Amino acid sequence: NAGVMQNPRHLVRRRGQEARLRCSPMKGHSHVYWYRQLPEEGLKFMVYLQKENIIDESGMPKERFSAEFPKEGPSILRIQQVVRGDSAAYFCASSRMIAGIVQETQYFGPGTRLLVL
Amino acid sequence: SQQGEEDPQALSIQEGENATMNCSYKTSINNLQWYRQNSGRGLVHLILIRSNEREKHSGRLRVTLDTSKKSSSLLITASRAADTASYFCATDEEGAQKLVFGQGTRLTINP
Repeated sequence: NAGVMQNPRHLVRRRGQEARLRCSPMKGHSHVYWYRQLPEEGLKFMVYLQKENIIDESGMPKERFSAEFPKEGPSILRIQQVVRGDSAAYFCASSRMIAGIVQETQYFGPGTRLLVL
Repeated sequence: SQQGEEDPQALSIQEGENATMNCSYKTSINNLQWYRQNSGRGLVHLILIRSNEREKHSGRLRVTLDTSKKSSSLLITASRAADTASYFCATDEEGAQKLVFGQGTRLTINP
């Protein structure tokens, strides 16, 4: 049973380019979360999605950032016109539902390390 | 304000000793989770303790939760070099699915 998969693992972009980060949740998991981690810091929540729905985007910057989790395929975190301050590790996590209840445990992927030059 | 503050920020002990890390939080929670992160890697879920539980064990891990003090501790007994990692506590704000992480404790086990 594969865990949460993220790609690419490392991404280098120049200022002004777009970054697309992909996340495939664990098999059977229908809830995806994105977090950002700056060096030497904890993770900060960005967005929580179900298939085709954004449930909570309270941690997303108002501009340049968007996320989706389509009916088919991975979840995508998209950063437009990247700036140096976007350099960070971006982690995706997933959780499942049992009997209509979202389980608390979130399983994390290995992360995508974004470097903006 | 920061939910889930770990203490100490860094801890260095000898192999075989016990390691204790603490976490404090500010709001009401349904549960508290501890995660481990090896350098440059993703997070590994260690243990979840619910707000109606006071203590939980998993192998060499022992977690306590004191909701009156809004604090939790993680004890790793008989530490090993492989336990070297950063440890994070994460809380859910009651009713929300998102996790709020602290800054983490960097644990170093010296052989």
